[in-house]
Amino acid sequence: AQTVTQSQPEMSVQEAETVTLSCTYDTSESDYYLFWYKQPPSRQMILVIRQEAYKQQNATENRFSVNFQKAAKSFSLKISDSQLGDAAMYFCAYRSAFMETSGSRLTFGEGTQLTVNP
Amino acid sequence: NAGVTQTPKFQVLKTGQSMTLQCAQDMNHNSMYWYRQDPGMGLRLIYYSASEGTTDKGEVPNGYNVSRLNKREFSLRLESAAPSQTSVYFCASSGRGSPSAFGSGTRLTVV
Repeated sequence: AQTVTQSQPEMSVQEAETVTLSCTYDTSESDYYLFWYKQPPSRQMILVIRQEAYKQQNATENRFSVNFQKAAKSFSLKISDSQLGDAAMYFCAYRSAFMETSGSRLTFGEGTQLTVNP
Repeated sequence: NAGVTQTPKFQVLKTGQSMTLQCAQDMNHNSMYWYRQDPGMGLRLIYYSASEGTTDKGEVPNGYNVSRLNKREFSLRLESAAPSQTSVYFCASSGRGSPSAFGSGTRLTVV
């Protein structure tokens, strides 16, 4: 079974600075997807960024980028120029690419609560 | 564009009561899921339905039942609620190659 670990329960950053959230995972599969989701106080789960394991290039979405290290099974999220609206719980998640074995379900980490200080 | 709609948003139950959480998606996704979210544990899969007509247990299925009524709808039933089922519940759906879309969650308290 796959596992996802987020070792930082809480992180804080000053507005306009950069912060990196860590995530490690364990799997025996070769083809999979990794995601970062943001959950603000509204409870809504918002997709931040997605990475396909077969792609060597790190995904980027505006101020959000990832550092994907497949051999090390590491998938960190970097938030640049942090804004007050970035304050939220962030979840790392894994999904197998083999639908017949998993139904595309997500395995989540425990979450990292990010505080942005003005 | 509704996406994934789940009801109710909040519910308080007494121990032993039953209830059904409803979920519907309008994205023509094949797969649907129910997760529960507890502090410090992320989201854990309760049940899922990879396609219409099929359902399977996830990590934490005990105390729950599900029904995939049709392609759009996937309900979660608590037959006899227990305080350990106090949690936030999320319905989600996904299609081949697409990331999961989530409902807005149901906060359930069992007293």
